[in-house]
Amino acid sequence: GESVGLHLPTLSVQEGDNSIINCAYSNSASDYFIWYKQESGKGPQFIIDIRSNMDKRQGQRVTVLLNKTVKHLSLQIAATQPGDSAVYFCAENGGSARQLTFGSGTQLTVLP
Amino acid sequence: DSGVTQTPKHLITATGQRVTLRCSPRSGDLSVYWYQQSLDQGLQFLIHYYNGEERAKGNILERFSAQQFPDLHSELNLSSLELGDSALYFCASSAAVGGGTEAFFGQGTRLTVV
Repeated sequence: GESVGLHLPTLSVQEGDNSIINCAYSNSASDYFIWYKQESGKGPQFIIDIRSNMDKRQGQRVTVLLNKTVKHLSLQIAATQPGDSAVYFCAENGGSARQLTFGSGTQLTVLP
Repeated sequence: DSGVTQTPKHLITATGQRVTLRCSPRSGDLSVYWYQQSLDQGLQFLIHYYNGEERAKGNILERFSAQQFPDLHSELNLSSLELGDSALYFCASSAAVGGGTEAFFGQGTRLTVV
Protein backbone atom coordinates (compact mmCIF):
# COMPACT_ATOMS: atom_id res chain seq x y z
CA GLY A 1 0.00 0.00 0.00
CA GLU A 2 0.94 3.63 0.00
CA SER A 3 3.55 4.54 2.54
CA VAL A 4 5.93 7.17 3.70
CA GLY A 5 9.48 6.06 4.31
CA LEU A 6 12.68 7.53 5.63
CA HIS A 7 16.09 7.05 4.07
CA LEU A 8 18.12 6.87 7.27
CA PRO A 9 17.08 5.62 10.68
CA THR A 10 19.81 7.56 12.55
CA LEU A 11 21.73 10.75 11.99
CA SER A 12 24.52 12.20 14.10
CA VAL A 13 25.72 15.77 13.62
CA GLN A 14 28.09 18.08 15.40
CA GLU A 15 26.59 20.92 17.35
CA GLY A 16 26.48 23.99 15.15
CA ASP A 17 26.40 22.05 11.90
CA ASN A 18 23.39 21.88 9.63
CA SER A 19 21.25 18.74 9.60
CA ILE A 20 19.34 17.29 6.71
CA ILE A 21 16.71 14.64 7.26
CA ASN A 22 15.18 12.99 4.23
CA CYS A 23 11.88 11.34 3.55
CA ALA A 24 10.38 9.56 0.55
CA TYR A 25 6.68 9.30 -0.02
CA SER A 26 4.80 7.21 -2.51
CA ASN A 27 1.25 8.54 -2.57
CA SER A 28 1.07 10.98 -5.45
CA ALA A 29 -2.34 12.13 -4.21
CA SER A 30 -0.84 13.60 -1.03
CA ASP A 31 -0.93 17.36 -1.07
CA TYR A 32 0.05 18.22 2.47
CA PHE A 33 3.18 17.26 4.35
CA ILE A 34 4.33 17.83 7.91
CA TRP A 35 7.50 17.32 9.89
CA TYR A 36 7.12 16.41 13.52
CA LYS A 37 9.70 16.21 16.29
CA GLN A 38 9.28 13.68 19.05
CA GLU A 39 11.36 13.84 22.19
CA SER A 40 11.63 10.87 24.47
CA GLY A 41 8.44 10.28 26.41
CA LYS A 42 6.53 13.06 24.67
CA GLY A 43 4.02 13.37 21.91
CA PRO A 44 4.99 14.49 18.40
CA GLN A 45 5.40 18.22 18.11
CA PHE A 46 4.71 20.15 14.92
CA ILE A 47 7.79 21.68 13.30
CA ILE A 48 6.80 22.83 9.85
CA ASP A 49 4.41 21.96 7.06
CA ILE A 50 4.22 22.44 3.32
CA ARG A 51 1.54 22.11 0.69
CA SER A 52 2.11 20.56 -2.69
CA ASN A 53 1.81 23.91 -4.49
CA MET A 54 5.09 24.93 -2.88
CA ASP A 55 8.58 23.49 -3.11
CA LYS A 56 10.18 25.28 -0.19
CA ARG A 57 9.08 26.73 3.09
CA GLN A 58 11.16 28.28 5.81
CA GLY A 59 10.62 28.57 9.51
CA GLN A 60 12.86 29.50 12.37
CA ARG A 61 16.11 27.57 11.74
CA VAL A 62 14.17 24.98 9.73
CA THR A 63 13.46 24.64 6.03
CA VAL A 64 11.33 22.03 4.34
CA LEU A 65 11.93 21.17 0.70
CA LEU A 66 9.44 19.28 -1.42
CA ASN A 67 10.34 17.62 -4.70
CA LYS A 68 7.14 16.28 -6.19
CA THR A 69 8.89 14.88 -9.24
CA VAL A 70 10.75 12.30 -7.19
CA LYS A 71 8.33 12.31 -4.25
CA HIS A 72 10.94 13.47 -1.79
CA LEU A 73 10.72 15.64 1.28
CA SER A 74 13.57 16.95 3.37
CA LEU A 75 13.96 18.87 6.60
CA GLN A 76 16.96 21.11 7.03
CA ILE A 77 17.89 22.33 10.49
CA ALA A 78 20.40 25.15 10.61
CA ALA A 79 23.00 25.43 13.36
CA THR A 80 21.83 22.25 15.06
CA GLN A 81 21.64 22.49 18.84
CA PRO A 82 21.60 19.82 21.56
CA GLY A 83 17.90 20.49 22.07
CA ASP A 84 17.29 19.33 18.51
CA SER A 85 18.15 15.76 19.47
CA ALA A 86 14.96 13.80 18.94
CA VAL A 87 13.18 11.52 16.50
CA TYR A 88 11.88 13.32 13.44
CA PHE A 89 8.89 12.04 11.51
CA CYS A 90 7.57 13.13 8.17
CA ALA A 91 3.88 12.71 7.51
CA GLU A 92 1.62 13.06 4.51
CA ASN A 93 -2.13 13.23 4.15
CA GLY A 94 -2.16 10.15 1.96
CA GLY A 95 -4.54 8.00 3.97
CA SER A 96 -7.84 6.75 2.58
CA ALA A 97 -9.64 9.63 4.29
CA ARG A 98 -6.60 11.86 3.90
CA GLN A 99 -5.49 11.24 7.46
CA LEU A 100 -1.82 11.70 8.22
CA THR A 101 0.40 8.74 7.41
CA PHE A 102 3.76 8.73 9.16
CA GLY A 103 7.17 7.54 8.17
CA SER A 104 9.25 5.37 10.49
CA GLY A 105 11.30 8.23 11.91
CA THR A 106 14.93 9.35 12.01
CA GLN A 107 16.79 9.61 15.30
CA LEU A 108 18.85 12.80 15.27
CA THR A 109 21.70 12.95 17.76
CA VAL A 110 23.61 16.19 18.24
CA LEU A 111 27.20 15.65 19.33
CA PRO A 112 28.98 18.21 21.52
CA ASP B 1 1.32 22.40 25.58
CA SER B 2 -0.59 21.24 22.49
CA GLY B 3 -4.00 21.64 24.08
CA VAL B 4 -4.78 17.95 23.63
CA THR B 5 -5.23 16.09 26.90
CA GLN B 6 -4.88 12.36 27.31
CA THR B 7 -5.57 10.32 30.40
CA PRO B 8 -4.21 8.33 32.01
CA LYS B 9 -0.54 8.94 31.31
CA HIS B 10 0.43 5.45 32.34
CA LEU B 11 -1.57 2.24 32.58
CA ILE B 12 -0.44 -1.18 33.67
CA THR B 13 -2.85 -4.05 33.29
CA ALA B 14 -2.92 -7.80 32.90
CA THR B 15 -3.51 -9.85 29.78
CA GLY B 16 -7.14 -10.43 29.01
CA GLN B 17 -8.26 -7.21 30.63
CA ARG B 18 -10.03 -4.22 29.11
CA VAL B 19 -8.97 -0.58 29.37
CA THR B 20 -10.29 2.76 28.21
CA LEU B 21 -8.06 5.61 27.11
CA ARG B 22 -9.47 9.10 27.05
CA CYS B 23 -8.70 12.09 24.86
CA SER B 24 -9.90 15.67 25.02
CA PRO B 25 -9.14 17.53 21.79
CA ARG B 26 -8.09 21.14 21.46
CA SER B 27 -10.91 23.58 21.92
CA GLY B 28 -12.80 23.86 18.67
CA ASP B 29 -11.20 20.88 16.94
CA LEU B 30 -13.74 18.46 15.54
CA SER B 31 -11.36 15.75 14.33
CA VAL B 32 -9.78 13.22 16.64
CA TYR B 33 -7.23 10.66 15.50
CA TRP B 34 -5.82 7.72 17.43
CA TYR B 35 -2.35 6.37 16.76
CA GLN B 36 -0.38 3.48 18.23
CA GLN B 37 3.39 3.66 18.66
CA SER B 38 5.18 0.47 19.61
CA LEU B 39 8.78 0.41 20.79
CA ASP B 40 11.09 1.83 18.15
CA GLN B 41 8.23 2.02 15.70
CA GLY B 42 6.56 4.82 13.87
CA LEU B 43 3.05 6.02 14.44
CA GLN B 44 0.42 3.62 13.18
CA PHE B 45 -2.94 5.15 12.42
CA LEU B 46 -5.82 3.44 14.18
CA ILE B 47 -9.00 5.43 13.67
CA HIS B 48 -10.35 8.91 12.89
CA TYR B 49 -13.52 10.56 14.15
CA TYR B 50 -14.99 13.82 12.98
CA ASN B 51 -17.77 15.50 14.92
CA GLY B 52 -18.91 12.23 16.41
CA GLU B 53 -18.77 10.13 13.28
CA GLU B 54 -16.17 7.56 12.28
CA ARG B 55 -14.32 8.77 9.19
CA ALA B 56 -11.55 6.28 8.62
CA LYS B 57 -10.09 3.11 10.04
CA GLY B 58 -6.50 2.09 9.86
CA ASN B 59 -4.78 -0.94 11.29
CA ILE B 60 -7.13 -1.23 14.22
CA LEU B 61 -7.75 -4.65 15.69
CA GLU B 62 -11.29 -5.92 16.16
CA ARG B 63 -10.56 -6.04 19.90
CA PHE B 64 -10.18 -2.26 19.80
CA SER B 65 -12.96 0.25 19.39
CA ALA B 66 -13.41 3.96 19.75
CA GLN B 67 -16.05 6.60 19.92
CA GLN B 68 -16.36 10.36 19.98
CA PHE B 69 -18.93 11.90 22.24
CA PRO B 70 -21.13 15.00 21.72
CA ASP B 71 -18.69 17.09 23.74
CA LEU B 72 -16.03 15.92 21.22
CA HIS B 73 -13.90 13.98 23.66
CA SER B 74 -12.97 10.52 22.49
CA GLU B 75 -12.31 7.18 24.09
CA LEU B 76 -10.31 4.25 22.79
CA ASN B 77 -11.35 0.92 24.23
CA LEU B 78 -8.89 -1.95 24.19
CA SER B 79 -10.17 -5.37 25.20
CA SER B 80 -8.82 -8.90 25.62
CA LEU B 81 -5.43 -7.31 26.00
CA GLU B 82 -2.32 -9.15 24.87
CA LEU B 83 1.32 -8.53 25.66
CA GLY B 84 1.79 -7.17 22.15
CA ASP B 85 -0.68 -4.38 22.82
CA SER B 86 1.87 -2.71 25.06
CA ALA B 87 2.61 0.59 23.36
CA LEU B 88 2.18 4.33 23.47
CA TYR B 89 -1.24 5.42 22.32
CA PHE B 90 -1.52 8.94 21.02
CA CYS B 91 -4.51 11.05 20.31
CA ALA B 92 -4.32 13.98 17.92
CA SER B 93 -6.85 16.61 16.99
CA SER B 94 -7.28 19.00 14.13
CA ALA B 95 -9.81 21.50 12.94
CA ALA B 96 -10.27 19.93 9.54
CA VAL B 97 -12.23 16.86 8.56
CA GLY B 98 -9.35 15.62 6.40
CA GLY B 99 -5.60 15.79 6.70
CA GLY B 100 -5.11 19.19 5.24
CA THR B 101 -4.10 20.96 8.39
CA GLU B 102 -1.76 20.42 11.25
CA ALA B 103 -2.73 17.79 13.79
CA PHE B 104 -1.87 18.45 17.42
CA PHE B 105 -0.81 15.52 19.54
CA GLY B 106 -1.36 14.77 23.18
CA GLN B 107 1.37 13.43 25.43
CA GLY B 108 0.15 9.88 25.01
CA THR B 109 -0.89 7.03 27.24
CA ARG B 110 1.75 4.42 27.89
CA LEU B 111 0.04 1.05 28.16
CA THR B 112 1.90 -1.87 29.63
CA VAL B 113 0.27 -5.29 29.51
CA VAL B 114 1.80 -7.82 31.87
